[in-house]
Amino acid sequence: AQTVTQSQPEMSVQEAETVTLSCTYDTSESDYYLFWYKQPPSRQMILVIRQEAYKQQNATENRFSVNFQKAAKSFSLKISDSQLGDAAMYFCAYRSARGAVWNTGTASKLTFGTGTRLQVTL
Amino acid sequence: EPEVTQTPSHQVTQMGQEVILRCVPISNHLYFYWYRQILGQKVEFLVSFYNNEISEKSEIFDDQFSVERPDGSNFTLKIRSTKLEDSAMYFCASDPNTEAFFGQGTRLTVV
Repeated sequence: AQTVTQSQPEMSVQEAETVTLSCTYDTSESDYYLFWYKQPPSRQMILVIRQEAYKQQNATENRFSVNFQKAAKSFSLKISDSQLGDAAMYFCAYRSARGAVWNTGTASKLTFGTGTRLQVTL
Repeated sequence: EPEVTQTPSHQVTQMGQEVILRCVPISNHLYFYWYRQILGQKVEFLVSFYNNEISEKSEIFDDQFSVERPDGSNFTLKIRSTKLEDSAMYFCASDPNTEAFFGQGTRLTVV
């Protein structure tokens, strides 16, 4: 079974600064997806960024980028130029590519880490 | 932009009562999921659904739970006899085979 570990329960960053949230995972699969989700106080789950394991290039979405180290099974999220609206819980998640790649009809669930609460200060 | 819609946003129910949580997934998505998040904890997988049948379920998804797609659009989660520990946020998600799109969640409070 896959596991996802987020070792930082809380992080704090000053507005306009950069912060990195850590995530490690354990899997025996070679094809999978990794995600970062943001959960603001409204508790809605918002996709921030996604990485396909077969891609060596790190994904970026505006101020958000990842450092994907497949051999080390590490997937950190970097938030640049932090804004007050970035304050939220951030969850790292793993999804097998089994259903997507071979279209076996097996829905692949997300396995989440325990989350990191990010505070943004003035 | 299409989105996953969940109703109600908040439901309070008495212990032992049945509840039905409703979801309208994004049309033409193939896979559907229910997840649960107890306050302050991580998001946990409950069940996945594909081609009108359960694809996978977790150990949490016991006989008290059931899912249906009664009319080809709605996707429901039923809890037959609620317990206090069922109090949580329940998220529906739909997936076109690449990534999950989440609804805004239903906050279930069992008293």
